[in-house]
Amino acid sequence: QVQLQESGPGLVKPSETLSLTCSVSGDSIRSYYWSWVRQPPGKGLEWIGYISYLGSSSYNPSLKSRLTISLDTSRNQFSLKLSSVTAADTAIYYCAREAAAGSPSYYFDYWGQGALVTVSS
Amino acid sequence: DIQMTQSPSSLSASVGDRVTITCRASQSINTYLHWYQQKPGRAPKLLMYDASTLQSGVPSRFSGSGSGTGFTLNISSLQPEDFATYYCQQSYSAPKTFGQGTRLEIK
Repeated sequence: QVQLQESGPGLVKPSETLSLTCSVSGDSIRSYYWSWVRQPPGKGLEWIGYISYLGSSSYNPSLKSRLTISLDTSRNQFSLKLSSVTAADTAIYYCAREAAAGSPSYYFDYWGQGALVTVSS
Repeated sequence: DIQMTQSPSSLSASVGDRVTITCRASQSINTYLHWYQQKPGRAPKLLMYDASTLQSGVPSRFSGSGSGTGFTLNISSLQPEDFATYYCQQSYSAPKTFGQGTRLEIK
């Protein structure tokens, strides 16, 4: 059974860097693509970006200039760093596994429970 | 970016009803359209991928259809556990985008 678990600070000050880690169990991170998706409270879903098992990444252009997603294969984890945050970055952040039925059919088949990150001074 | 528009935004229905949710893409996305169910306080759950392929473990009362720019999610006989918010998502081109959601409520 694949399980994902987000961890990191729940409160970040404006202009600082939001950092989250997703720990994966039940599957090797050396396969599939691994994504972050966020959801502002009471609103819809926004794809943030992914990193592949080969280390390549793709980011949402709306966040690209502030975003880094990285992989730690030794710990079976991947991480998100979002710099220069504002209140608009307040959201539940989910990590998710991307499965594929063949490019470009990519969908999120396993999700973490989500981590609420609030940007406030 | 490809815009995904769901209708209706909210829907009231009764247990046993048949329900249809529509998702429209701003340009053709072939069949690279996926559906999720989200309950309050929970992560989204994959229901359907590639427009009409049921994810393992999802009840057969859920079905999907469509291609190009128009897609539907059908629930043949609503059960109490189906009351939730449903999202469509396209993976045809980056960035992946979601519809705004359809909230299905008990009448």
